[in-house]
Amino acid sequence: KAGVTQTPRYLIKTRGQQVTLSCSPISGHRSVSWYQQTPGQGLQFLFEYFSETQRNKGNFPGRFSGRQFSNSRSEMNVSTLELGDSALYLCASSFLGAEKLFFGSGTQLSVL
Amino acid sequence: AQKVTQAQTEISVVEKEDVTLDCVYETRDTTYYLFWYKQPPSGELVFLIRRNSFDEQNEISGRYSWNFQKSTSSFNFTITASQVVDSAVYFCALSDVNAGNNRKLIWGLGTSLAVNP
Repeated sequence: KAGVTQTPRYLIKTRGQQVTLSCSPISGHRSVSWYQQTPGQGLQFLFEYFSETQRNKGNFPGRFSGRQFSNSRSEMNVSTLELGDSALYLCASSFLGAEKLFFGSGTQLSVL
Repeated sequence: AQKVTQAQTEISVVEKEDVTLDCVYETRDTTYYLFWYKQPPSGELVFLIRRNSFDEQNEISGRYSWNFQKSTSSFNFTITASQVVDSAVYFCALSDVNAGNNRKLIWGLGTSLAVNP
C-alpha cells in the first residue's frame, strides 16, 4: 500500500508570492490533516478535511487555505507569502480522524 | 486549554543505555487520547502508540514501553537498550476532542534523542 505522498519536496518562493502544496493520502483514507512545523513553534495544526469538507481549522490567518477533492487528495494554498511562512508542511491521512495519523515526508518551503 | 510539555529538549546516550522521554499534559477533557510519534531525519512522522484516557495499563512493545499516569498527567516513553537507529525526534501529542470524530492534535515541542555508538 502506497504511503502519503506530498509534492513538491522542496520549494523556494519570494515574499508576496503564493504557493500550492499537494497531498495524496493512503488509498481508502478520507481524512487529511495539514500541519506546519517550525523549530520555534513545533507542530501546529492548520486544518483537517474529511470527505471534501473542512472539519477543523487551526489558528492561522486566512492566507492559509485548503481543499479536498472527491478522490481525497488535498491541496493547501498560502497566498501573499511572508518570511515567517518558511516551514516544513506536513500532511497526514487517516481513515476517520486523528486516531492514527500517517504522515508524508513533507514539503520544505523557504520564503526569501 | 490543552497543552503538552516535553521538558527534555535534547538527550544524548550511548548505545545500549536505557532512556526515558518525559511527557506531561494538561487538559480539561475527561475523554482524550495521548500519542507518541517518532520523526527520523527523513522528516516523516511515524506513529508509535495511542492510549485513551480510560486505559492506564502500561504497554510494552519490544524495546519500547510507555507509562501512563493520570494522577500526574504524564505519559512517559522508555527505550530499553537503545540503538543508533533510535536516534530521532520524539513527539508526544494530545487529542483536542471536538464533536464526533473531529479531532486535532496538540503537540509537544519534541525531544531530540541522539544514540551514540
